[in-house]
Amino acid sequence: DTEVTQTPKHLVMGMTNKKSLKCEQHMGHRAMYWYKQKAKKPPELMFVYSYEKLSINESVPSRFSPECPNSSLLNLHLHALQPEDSALYLCASSDPGRSNEKLFFGSGTQLSVL
Amino acid sequence: AQSVTQPDIHITVSEGASLELRCNYSYGATPYLFWYVQSPGQGLQLLLKYFSGDTLVQGIKGFEAEFKRSQSSFNLRKPSVHWSDAAEYFCAVGANTDKLIFGTGTRLQVFP
Repeated sequence: DTEVTQTPKHLVMGMTNKKSLKCEQHMGHRAMYWYKQKAKKPPELMFVYSYEKLSINESVPSRFSPECPNSSLLNLHLHALQPEDSALYLCASSDPGRSNEKLFFGSGTQLSVL
Repeated sequence: AQSVTQPDIHITVSEGASLELRCNYSYGATPYLFWYVQSPGQGLQLLLKYFSGDTLVQGIKGFEAEFKRSQSSFNLRKPSVHWSDAAEYFCAVGANTDKLIFGTGTRLQVFP
């Protein structure tokens, strides 16, 4: 299994809603990432979890709350989002123990905030 | 400052023609270099990467890239483009995967 699975694929939410994005991998990777990608732009790093601990937070607003319940799962909890938060949210994983590690990306969740 | 430049926002080629996508970087040391491809609404797929050794690297789908230290470039090439190659291509650099810097991307359009 060399996949990173993200659910849901599409999400529409209002500014007062609370929702969660989910990401799962079974490759034994110990690093997991959240990226945000606006249309026609490159991905921007949001968070990195390494060995289930938050290692990087790129000054992301607190309305985005990541969670890593175990080494295979990564969640992104959303609350009180703004329309400008509409974007493709990508999860990725990697194996930090390998000398030539690479990122494996999921297909993303397309989020629309109304 | 660390940065990645992909000078071509949009490239159009005919099917069967050769392709070169440009990537230039600014980095303090020799970084790890990557090319990713993204189809609309999808995640990114790694085409190839350079860490060290032979400066001409082969990737998937018939792509190759050449690292030129003197020019701080890592251009992506394919001798004969297929219609299925139409996508967005991102060059990325970094010391490790935690802090990859992505270029702004090149959109490839392929005409039959």
